[in-house]
Amino acid sequence: DARVTQTPRHKVTEMGQEVTMRCQPILGHNTVFWYRQTMMQGLELLAYFRNRAPLDDSGMPKDRFSAEMPDATLATLKIQPSEPRDSAVYFCASGLVHRPQHFGDGTRLSIL
Amino acid sequence: QQQVKQSPQSLIVQKGGISIINCAYENTAFDYFPWYQQFPGKGPALLIAIRPDVSEKKEGRFTISFNKSAKQFSLHIMDSQPGDSATYFCAASLDGQNFVFGPGTRLSVLP
Repeated sequence: DARVTQTPRHKVTEMGQEVTMRCQPILGHNTVFWYRQTMMQGLELLAYFRNRAPLDDSGMPKDRFSAEMPDATLATLKIQPSEPRDSAVYFCASGLVHRPQHFGDGTRLSIL
Repeated sequence: QQQVKQSPQSLIVQKGGISIINCAYENTAFDYFPWYQQFPGKGPALLIAIRPDVSEKKEGRFTISFNKSAKQFSLHIMDSQPGDSATYFCAASLDGQNFVFGPGTRLSVLP
């Protein structure tokens, strides 16, 4: 079965450090999503790409978060500087237009 | 308008019983309604989905009922099993891509 692959699976770092999360979408999928999941807020959409172009990043704090797709096989989400409130599980999902999304298993991020 | 409400927040069911989770939406432009199942430490996985031109869809023990006029849809799990214990999310989409998720229901099926 094709899968969305996220790395790292876990990340613990200190406040102020840069964090980079990576996602390898399913081959052939042309849409990529980044979500953040917390107990309080549930699943929140952070950013959304179609054919590597950002279509919506309104859910993302612009001053510290950035999302890119340097090529069709890699999506990245960066936080700089990180803050304790960024602690969450970050999911990447990929899909095709008008087809359901497939999620990776997430990166569990803890900012101390 | 973009919000999807989901209830209950948590649900405990005996093995063999029926689990029912309800969702409601406001935006009548939503055109795709999937349900996702999430196990601890895993990402959400698509379980079953429905479009608003259909009132019911069944896949095995899982059924979605859709009420377009009431703007509500629900997931029914028949003959619930302990292996069904997970968090369930309903979602709604405007264009088949950009999804709005409900807050989730944590289901526990007792053996």
